[in-house]
Amino acid sequence: GQSLEQPSEVTAVEGAIVQINCTYQTSGFYGLSWYQQHDGGAPTFLSYNALDGLEETGRFSSFLSRSDSYGYLLLQELQMKDSASYFCAVEPTGANNLFFGTGTRLTVIP
Amino acid sequence: DTGVSQDPRHKITKRGQNVTFRCDPISEHNRLYWYRQTLGQGPEFLTYFQNEAQLEKSRLLSDRFSAERPKGSFSTLEIQRTEQGDSAMYLCASSPTGAGSLAGTTGELFFGEGSRLTVL
Repeated sequence: GQSLEQPSEVTAVEGAIVQINCTYQTSGFYGLSWYQQHDGGAPTFLSYNALDGLEETGRFSSFLSRSDSYGYLLLQELQMKDSASYFCAVEPTGANNLFFGTGTRLTVIP
Repeated sequence: DTGVSQDPRHKITKRGQNVTFRCDPISEHNRLYWYRQTLGQGPEFLTYFQNEAQLEKSRLLSDRFSAERPKGSFSTLEIQRTEQGDSAMYLCASSPTGAGSLAGTTGELFFGEGSRLTVL
């Protein structure tokens, strides 16, 4: 089976940088994804790491280390609109779906 | 509108009634997924279609749940004899066919805004 652990809540100041960690246990997977979900909204794709290392997409970056079973999402220059829930997810090898973590609720304060 | 659409957005029903949700995926996407999400949790996989074929079902999908995608376009998810534990957001997602992985190499699913079910 799979398990993905994330901190349940994170609070950060507008303009700052925040890192949301994801530690996982899985027998094998194609890659690690990150999704953002505002209250009442659809999960929306942010980033994907198939290989170890850092992927950068504007203010968002994501990192994967398969040897450490660990990844993170880095949000820079935080804006109030970044307040949302963030989920890491893996696509297990041989499966045709994403397995999601329990999510981290980010609150950005002025 | 080029996104995934779901209908109805909200449904309140009494325990024991049947409900049906509809999902219209992005038109060129062959893959369609149903997920369930409860408050404070991540989406949980229910089932997956490749065109009209239902290729995978989660153990979460009890016999009271049935999903169809008759022409490989829209899909329906029916819950029979609803129970209070069925109260959740039901999310539909789609992706284009990828070689060996979801959506090719991007791992991206395109989600609808969901159908929220409340069972009284």
